[in-house]
Amino acid sequence: DAGVTQSPTHLIKTRGQQVTLRCSPKSGHDTVSWYQQALGQGPQFIFQYYEEEERQRGNFPDRFSGHQFPNYSSELNVNALLLGDSALYLCASSLGGGSGELFFGEGSRLTVL
Amino acid sequence: RKEVEQDPGPFNVPEGATVAFNCTYSNSASQSFFWYRQDCRKEPKLLMSVYSSGNEDGRFTAQLNRASQYISLLIRDSKLSDSATYLCVAQTSNYQLIWGAGTKLIIKP
Repeated sequence: DAGVTQSPTHLIKTRGQQVTLRCSPKSGHDTVSWYQQALGQGPQFIFQYYEEEERQRGNFPDRFSGHQFPNYSSELNVNALLLGDSALYLCASSLGGGSGELFFGEGSRLTVL
Repeated sequence: RKEVEQDPGPFNVPEGATVAFNCTYSNSASQSFFWYRQDCRKEPKLLMSVYSSGNEDGRFTAQLNRASQYISLLIRDSKLSDSATYLCVAQTSNYQLIWGAGTKLIIKP
């Protein structure tokens, strides 16, 4: 039973560039949530996708966008990268719209130079 | 004031000792609470859920005090492998999770 998988695991970008991060949820899960975790901080909620729609959104600018596909996998896109976007981006999957236990992927570590 | 606050630590504790740390939350409408464990440069993993007054799982005990709006985590007979950052999480009525910044625990031999 595959857990949550994320790609890429590490990447380096420069300011102004765009990045796409990918997530495949745990088998049987239909809900994907994305979090940003800066060094020494707890995860910050970006948004959640369920039934291919963004259901909830945290306090992040429109530069952060996402998508969920019919197979429940998801992408996180960040445009016009800033130095402050450097962080670990975590994908978490759950069942039933987010009320169940979250299972996290190992994350994608983004460095913006 | 942060919605979920934790003492960042680090807590330096000898192996075999008992350690406890608290987490306070500001949203009185928070429904459920969780403790996650996060190892260095790894993803968070669920340690315990705290749904009512508290619960126990082996060496770990979590307690909830709704009147004072805090939850606690107690670790007995601490092991070297307990060294990690412990994240406190409050779940709101619309299932959004609010995370604390974590408490770093270091168990020393």
